[in-house]
Amino acid sequence: GAGVSQSPRYKVAKRGQDVALRCDPISGHVSLFWYQQALGQGPEFLTYFQNEAQLDKSGLPSDRFFAERPEGSVSTLKIQRTQQEDSAVYLCASSLVVGDTEAFFGQGTRLTVV
Amino acid sequence: GESVGLHLPTLSVQEGDNSIINCAYSNSASDYFIWYKQESGKGPQFIIDIRSNMDKRQGQRVTVLLNKTVKHLSLQIAATQPGDSAVYFCAENGDSGGYNKLIFGAGTRLAVHP
Repeated sequence: GAGVSQSPRYKVAKRGQDVALRCDPISGHVSLFWYQQALGQGPEFLTYFQNEAQLDKSGLPSDRFFAERPEGSVSTLKIQRTQQEDSAVYLCASSLVVGDTEAFFGQGTRLTVV
Repeated sequence: GESVGLHLPTLSVQEGDNSIINCAYSNSASDYFIWYKQESGKGPQFIIDIRSNMDKRQGQRVTVLLNKTVKHLSLQIAATQPGDSAVYFCAENGDSGGYNKLIFGAGTRLAVHP
């Protein structure tokens, strides 16, 4: 497809379990962002990649959160030892060039920690 | 800290009427202000942006107004249609060093009634 693809769409994890969320950005897009969206709230920035370089991880809530984009295309957000407060929709967005104000978002992965 | 907020959490309008969604921001260092639309179960979708040195920008059926004196942003939708029903977020890029890390507000739900 032509858009940003995220998988899985839904993930239920038991507390303490590790999870991995995948993002396939639009081909050729340099910038890739991860956001966390709690129910009824706006998305909150987690981390930013420019190609394979992670230039900003200031929004990651704890050291249990880790993101990578090893070849500058697909990205994975990993959450270790999940907690209930990690329950949220995780959104991935990409943009063609650095500084582009139009970011294309995927549908998100809804994570529920039980 | 930096924040973007909205005056009204919900807005109900009749089909065919004009809609105005308001937003207040606090970070004067932002270069861009952007409006996103989010339908249920989907990721945010870019609508329109405005640069900080502009007061008004028009798109297809939408107009964004920026009042830097009072740090206020608004989105006007002309002839609102049922397909406009969604949550609308304003966002700003803060001073993220050029890669447009977005700071979102909490959102306004627009409900369009036939």
